[in-house]
Formats: sequence, structure tokens, C-alpha cells
Amino acid sequence: GESVGLHLPTLSVQEGDNSIINCAYSNSASDYFIWYKQESGKGPQFIIDIRSNMDKRQGQRVTVLLNKTVKHLSLQIAATQPGDSAVYFCAENFYNQGGKLIFGQGTELSVKP
Amino acid sequence: GAGVSQSPSNKVTEKGKDVELRCDPISGHTALYWYRQSLGQGLEFLIYFQGNSAPDKSGLPSDRFSAERTGGSVSTLTIQRTQQEDSAVYLCASSLAGIGLAKNIQYFGAGTRLSVL
Repeated sequence: GESVGLHLPTLSVQEGDNSIINCAYSNSASDYFIWYKQESGKGPQFIIDIRSNMDKRQGQRVTVLLNKTVKHLSLQIAATQPGDSAVYFCAENFYNQGGKLIFGQGTELSVKP
Repeated sequence: GAGVSQSPSNKVTEKGKDVELRCDPISGHTALYWYRQSLGQGLEFLIYFQGNSAPDKSGLPSDRFSAERTGGSVSTLTIQRTQQEDSAVYLCASSLAGIGLAKNIQYFGAGTRLSVL
């Protein structure tokens, strides 16, 4: 998606709760999706990825869900911890364009102890 | 190296000056990408290298921006006659492969924060 301004969507959760971060992607031809976590002053850190032939993929404490019908991606974080506080980006990947990533605007996750 | 390394970490320059930003990818990674991140925004693709070739330069904002990669490793992003709107964090990423159906996890460096006064 395109960035629409300087104010990131924010999500505030209590430590121990589950978090759900949503993302709408732009291209129905996208065949690979990735979630990144970015802490202040650092580069994006890979969290989990999913191919378009899958609906769900689980990692350690994280699950990504893909709904191609409505072009929607979500990242679920179980038992959220203060160290999970960061900005989370989803990205689309086009294999026929050499794999460049198209990033969404990002969501800022704040975890209250 | 263990990860993607970028230098300098911070660069302050005057409007009109040229700057060079350097990226050392993860050893063995054939694909290299440059992105730009403006304050509070997502990442914007600039250019992609496969080996020393750049099959996709579609994100370079103007002809003041150029990049090269030598020896299939280090890459340099050059901005000529910098403008204030060039101020941003410039991020480099590398991956094992950039084409085909191979998994393409891109690993990012910490970025270079460029400030044009």
C-alpha cells in the first residue's frame, strides 16, 4: 500500500495478551508475503513469511494469516512481551520483478507492562 | 560478515554536495537491494542488483541517484547534488537469490541516516 502520512497506526496491548496486526496489500498477483519488525534506529528484522498457496503459517509465538479474496494479511503475536514493542511492516513480493519488496505503511505496537 | 553492514551510520551534508553510501552484503548473497525510508513511513524500493547487474532501477527518484556493485559484493549508492528532500534513512538488504521461485528472505542492514542541511 502507499504511505498516507507521518502518523502510523498504533496498537497498544497489555503484556501477556495476544496482538493482531493487520495489513491490506495492493496487488492480487503478489505471490509471497513477509512480515518485518523494526525497532527504533535499526533495520527491519525478518519475522515470518508465507506463500500465496498457503492460508496460514506458524512460527514461534507468531502466526501469519493470508486471505487472498480480500487481499488481507495479518500477524498474530501470542503472549505479547515488552520486547515485541516495535513497528511492524508487511511487504509484498513479486517474483517476476526480481523479488523487490513493496512495503505497507507499518503499525506501531506498544506493549504495556 | 555475519550481517549486512552499512556505512556511514550517519551522514550530514550540505545541499548541493555529493554523497556516497556503502553496503556490504552477507557473504554469498547474490541479490542486493537499496530502499529509502522517510521519517515515520514505510520503505520505498530504489534499485535491485543480481550479481553486478541492476535489472531493476525503477525506484531511483531522479538521475541524481545512481548505484553500482562490484565483485558481486559491495555496493555504493551515490546521490549527486543533494537536496533537502533526500534526507532519509537509506537501507540496504541482501538475499541468497532474487529471481525464480526460491525463497527470497531479505536481510537488512541498520541503514545510513542522511541529513541534508
